[in-house]
Amino acid sequence: DAMVIQNPRYQVTQFGKPVTLSCSQTLNHNVMYWYQQKSSQAPKLLFHYYDKDFNNEADTPDNFQSRRPNTSFCFLDIRSPGLGDAAMYLCATRVGGGGTDTQYFGPGTRLTVL
Amino acid sequence: DQQVKQNSPSLSVQEGRISILNCDYTNSMFDYFLWYKKYPAEGPTFLISISSIKDKNEDGRFTVFLNKSAKHLSLHIVPSQPGDSAVYFCAARGGGATNKLIFGTGTLLAVQP
Repeated sequence: DAMVIQNPRYQVTQFGKPVTLSCSQTLNHNVMYWYQQKSSQAPKLLFHYYDKDFNNEADTPDNFQSRRPNTSFCFLDIRSPGLGDAAMYLCATRVGGGGTDTQYFGPGTRLTVL
Repeated sequence: DQQVKQNSPSLSVQEGRISILNCDYTNSMFDYFLWYKKYPAEGPTFLISISSIKDKNEDGRFTVFLNKSAKHLSLHIVPSQPGDSAVYFCAARGGGATNKLIFGTGTLLAVQP
């Protein structure tokens, strides 16, 4: 089945230790998004790629970076995780190019920072 | 400043009855609205959407109503089933090339057998 896959599902890291979360998609969608969701809060957009064009949200901390080496893969790098970065990280895709506005989400990676 | 608000954190409904989930927004520029459903340990899944040029969209047991003058939308589930128990997120499209979605905080629906 075509889908959005996130690995790992659960990630534990230490305070200040860099961590990378990965997302892959078999939908061949142009647009890929990264959201952060903290408990009982709305998912918050961090950044997105439209093909290779990177778009950062104004309030996304510099600590968060992203890479998209090809259409299928997108990575979220947290350079120096703090306790406040513990959250669920959701990847989503959209077809782009004037197609449907629906975003398709992966299952998320829950990040714990010790 | 929360542009999309779901003021009810939870809702409990008996199986077979109607579930009504509400969502309010503040930005009149939003032109497209979506509802997502989320089970524990899964990502949100798309449920139903509505364009701002419409006031109703129906898909099986799910109907979304949009009241632009009140900046209010609601999701009706009839009849409710235990499998509908999940967190429901309302989202609004911010417009522009990014198709950025602004999400509400979600409402936990519990359908009691």
